[in-house]
Amino acid sequence: SQQGEEDPQALSIQEGENATMNCSYKTSINNLQWYRQNSGRGLVHLILIRSNEREKHSGRLRVTLDTSKKSSSLLITASRAADTASYFCAPRGSQGNLIFGKGTKLSVKP
Amino acid sequence: ETGVTQTPRHLVMGMTNKKSLKCEQHLGHNAMYWYKQSAKKPLELMFVYSLEERVENNSVPSRFSPECPNSSHLFLHLHTLQPEDSALYLCASSQVRTGPDEQFFGPGTRLTVL
Repeated sequence: SQQGEEDPQALSIQEGENATMNCSYKTSINNLQWYRQNSGRGLVHLILIRSNEREKHSGRLRVTLDTSKKSSSLLITASRAADTASYFCAPRGSQGNLIFGKGTKLSVKP
Repeated sequence: ETGVTQTPRHLVMGMTNKKSLKCEQHLGHNAMYWYKQSAKKPLELMFVYSLEERVENNSVPSRFSPECPNSSHLFLHLHTLQPEDSALYLCASSQVRTGPDEQFFGPGTRLTVL
């Protein structure tokens, strides 16, 4: 299955700390995408990393991809209370749809 | 705002009602999607439309009936639903279906079936 599996399922940190979420998948991919969802709302695309990339940055976000281990990580630096949300990874093959996992629920306490 | 709107935002219906969910995208995309998100379950892909043609139906019960009259609008017609159909229904769009690009999501319709 292309479904990404996020780890941990829940993460609670203090404002200012870094948050790291991991994602594992099972098949070859074209790219891997990370999304964020605030409670009861739609998903918002955060960052896309292609299979030939190893690391990508966007503001306070840093994503890594290790295709040999079929894993990715999302690092949020200097977290803020507004970062509280669920985060999903979505691996994507060349033809397939995005298949989302259950997500990591991040809580950032002020 | 992502350019994808959904109405209504909240809907409560009885099991014998007929209602429709509406999705509209203002991004010029050619692919549109319906997802179901239930509590504690992964986001489930229900239907995929590409250039107004349904290209995927992931074993969704016939009480859910999608309609895509043009590339900007997507409907989900609901009839004789069950309480277990209560969920957040999300619409999304992307430039093309098989490309590598991201999907843009609407805010969702929170559906409660009594």
